[in-house]
Amino acid sequence: AQTVTQSQPEMSVQEAETVTLSCTYDTSESDYYLFWYKQPPSRQMILVIRQEAYKQQNATENRFSVNFQKAAKSFSLKISDSQLGDAAMYFCAYRVYSGGGADGLTFGKGTHLIIQP
Amino acid sequence: DAGITQSPRHKVTETGTPVTLRCHQTENHRYMYWYRQDPGHGLRLIHYSYGVKDTDKGEVSDGYSVSRSKTEDFLLTLESATSSQTSVYFCAISSNSDSPLHFGNGTRLTVT
Repeated sequence: AQTVTQSQPEMSVQEAETVTLSCTYDTSESDYYLFWYKQPPSRQMILVIRQEAYKQQNATENRFSVNFQKAAKSFSLKISDSQLGDAAMYFCAYRVYSGGGADGLTFGKGTHLIIQP
Repeated sequence: DAGITQSPRHKVTETGTPVTLRCHQTENHRYMYWYRQDPGHGLRLIHYSYGVKDTDKGEVSDGYSVSRSKTEDFLLTLESATSSQTSVYFCAISSNSDSPLHFGNGTRLTVT
């Protein structure tokens, strides 16, 4: 079974600085997808960024970027120029490519990100 | 935002009573999922559906059943609620197996 590990229960960063959230995963599959979701206090689950395992290029979305190391099974999220609105729980998630199958996401336990003004 | 509506938004019920949570989507997506979120556990998959009347168990399915009689509706039933089922329940949808999941706003269920 696949597992996703987020080793940092909580992180704190000063506004406007850069922070990196860690995620490792365990899988025997070669085709899969990785995601970061954000959950603010409103409880809504918001997709932040997505990475396809077959792509070597790291995904970026504005101030959010990932460092995807396939051999190391590592998928970290970097947030640049942190803003107060970035304060939230962040979940790393994995989805195997199942060629039409229904497999859902496997989630890590989350990292609580605090932004210090 | 994906058109996903969960109802109710909050519910308090007593141990031993049946409870049904509803997920309604307007996206015509094939795949639907039920997750529960608990502190220290992240989100865990309860059941999922890959089409009308096609469902399967997830990681934490004991004590739960599901039904999908229409593409747009996916129901989660707790036949006899227990305090261990106090949680936040999320419904999610996906158009295909390559896509990310899009989530509803969750239902907070408290079993007293």
